[in-house]
Amino acid sequence: GAGVSQTPSNKVTEKGKYVELRCDPISGHTALYWYRQSLGQGPEFLIYFQGTGAADDSGLPNDRFFAVRPEGSVSTLKIQRTERGDSAVYLCASSFPGTSFAEQFFGPGTRLTVL
Amino acid sequence: AQRVTQPEKLLSVFKGAPVELKCNYSYSGSPELFWYVQYSRQRLQLLLRHISRESIKGFTADLNKGETSFHLKKPFAQEEDSAMYYCALADSSYKLIFGSGTRLLVRP
Repeated sequence: GAGVSQTPSNKVTEKGKYVELRCDPISGHTALYWYRQSLGQGPEFLIYFQGTGAADDSGLPNDRFFAVRPEGSVSTLKIQRTERGDSAVYLCASSFPGTSFAEQFFGPGTRLTVL
Repeated sequence: AQRVTQPEKLLSVFKGAPVELKCNYSYSGSPELFWYVQYSRQRLQLLLRHISRESIKGFTADLNKGETSFHLKKPFAQEEDSAMYYCALADSSYKLIFGSGTRLLVRP
């Protein structure tokens, strides 16, 4: 079946602009995660959704970052007043939680470049 | 604080040579550890997890709580093993903490 998809694959924007990044999880996966991967680093956790609610948003760097998942499926990561330091690959993952740590399936990522 | 350290940014070996990708962690509790792999132009995918105690594509990893390590090993590297490898720690039932990754290059 189809894996996690993310759009756009690349986004170039100017400092100060607003951007939205979209994630389509695997059908039936109730858990959704956003990570950010800066150059030369591993992915860093941003936020976790269980269904429609954000169960843990402790990884969001500041209040310019916000994410929603209104119907418990597609999620949008929103970044206001972008800064050059926001440039990174933003990864989305989904899983179907079980009794132990469930495997997270990753999307291809959105490469964000802030000029 | 919970942390995963991969000391090598690049590991270059010849085909058929043994491979060991190092991973050390700090965690207060019983850790659950994973190795993820990213092949060229592909997405990040799970390679193996310590609780499974299985060998995937010839790779194994043993959790050593005394040394707080979870090194990834393969006795005979193949060219198709060339990829980025990330060690990760589950900080809860859902949150992964990743190391900075090691690029494995297997030369013919």
